[in-house]
Amino acid sequence: QITLKESGPTLVKSTQTLTLTCDFSGFSLYTSGVGVAWFRQSPGKALEWLALIYWDDDKRISPSLKSRLTITKDTSGNRVVLTMTNVDPLDTATYFCARRRPKLLMFDYWGQGTLVTVSS
Amino acid sequence: EIVLTQSPGTLSLSPGERATLSCTASQSVTSNFLAWYQQKPGQAPRLLIYAASSRAAGIPDRFSGSGSGTDFTVTISRVEPEDFAVYYCQQYAGSPYSFGQGTKLDVK
Repeated sequence: QITLKESGPTLVKSTQTLTLTCDFSGFSLYTSGVGVAWFRQSPGKALEWLALIYWDDDKRISPSLKSRLTITKDTSGNRVVLTMTNVDPLDTATYFCARRRPKLLMFDYWGQGTLVTVSS
Repeated sequence: EIVLTQSPGTLSLSPGERATLSCTASQSVTSNFLAWYQQKPGQAPRLLIYAASSRAAGIPDRFSGSGSGTDFTVTISRVEPEDFAVYYCQQYAGSPYSFGQGTKLDVK
């Protein structure tokens, strides 16, 4: 059974750094072809892709946020961390992590999401 | 970057009716790597369709996807009460992995 769960602060202040963690089970980032991505959704808005990290540490970052985002994986193979610097109230959103399936490449399993509010 | 445009913005139907939702890409989607998701309030997106026409595991066969290149469609043959939600298309062929703005399926 594959599960993902996001965690992090619910409230951060403008200009601070936000760190979010995605813990997952049922698959490993040591498996060839696997990736884990981050997405977000501002209240009432559409989904937005943020970043993706692969089993081999290859990374993709949204061009619009490239200067502010870092994505890493830890040695356990079951955790991915997203760091966003210099947050703004516009970064208020629910943040989701999801698995990118090997070979078929779609994002098939998603976490429940975590709501982050950025105060000014 | 591929821009995805969904139509209509809102679709109002009664249970039992057929729903057709569209997604148009600004350029051809490589290998038809186009997915459809269903999202209900307070929930994560749920994968319905991948590779334009393949149903994800556990998805009822009343959901079907079609299309290729730049024009894609998801059809619900007979809408059930639990199908009222927002539907998003997403291209996952290459980063940035863009989404459409969503179509809200609501009760007429």
